[in-house]
Amino acid sequence: DQQVKQNSPSLSVQEGRISILNCDYTNSMFDYFLWYKKYPAEGPTFLISISSIKDKNEDGRFTVFLNKSAKHLSLHIVPSQPGDSAVYFCAASEGGTGANNLFFGTGTRLTVIP
Amino acid sequence: NAGVTQTPKFRILKIGQSMTLQCTQDMNHNYMYWYRQDPGMGLKLIYYSVGAGITDKGEVPNGYNVSRSTTEDFPLRLELAAPSQTSVYFCASSATRGGGELFFGEGSRLTVL
Repeated sequence: DQQVKQNSPSLSVQEGRISILNCDYTNSMFDYFLWYKKYPAEGPTFLISISSIKDKNEDGRFTVFLNKSAKHLSLHIVPSQPGDSAVYFCAASEGGTGANNLFFGTGTRLTVIP
Repeated sequence: NAGVTQTPKFRILKIGQSMTLQCTQDMNHNYMYWYRQDPGMGLKLIYYSVGAGITDKGEVPNGYNVSRSTTEDFPLRLELAAPSQTSVYFCASSATRGGGELFFGEGSRLTVL
């Protein structure tokens, strides 16, 4: 049973435009959320995170928004660059960074077109 | 700085064979994890360790065993390979518990025929 869902398997965006990747979760006990980025033949790398006590966290071109009532989070990339082309995984945990397990979504493949 | 190193990167096994996936990290992290990723699915936790000599099951531990004799190494053993274990395996480590930022290896693609 997928507790973290990414319903869009792929997304294509023109260079310089905004990329919006979406993620939904079902477990209301999740209180820490992360985005990972994965290039082919590499392991996932941490991108950005947000605690459930916040509704927004920004790091350079990357912003994560959390809507707890809707159990929804999104990752905004502005402006999008060709080097952002990768698979993006949403992940969540229960118990913050003290949890032992991250629950991952199925990933969204972002393609940024030059 | 190598980070998390996994070997082998690719392996084909016959049903019933056994093998060990090796994982080593050089960041002195106490916490280490094994995840598997099946096609079209998210990563799922197999086993984890909070320090040398301490291991525990994750979501999908059946068919696997682990050991943690040193801080650096966390091997994953498949005793009787089955087609359902065909997957990409990722080892990860973290300085804190696994609910936060993990550092992943490059992955090991295992096919069981």
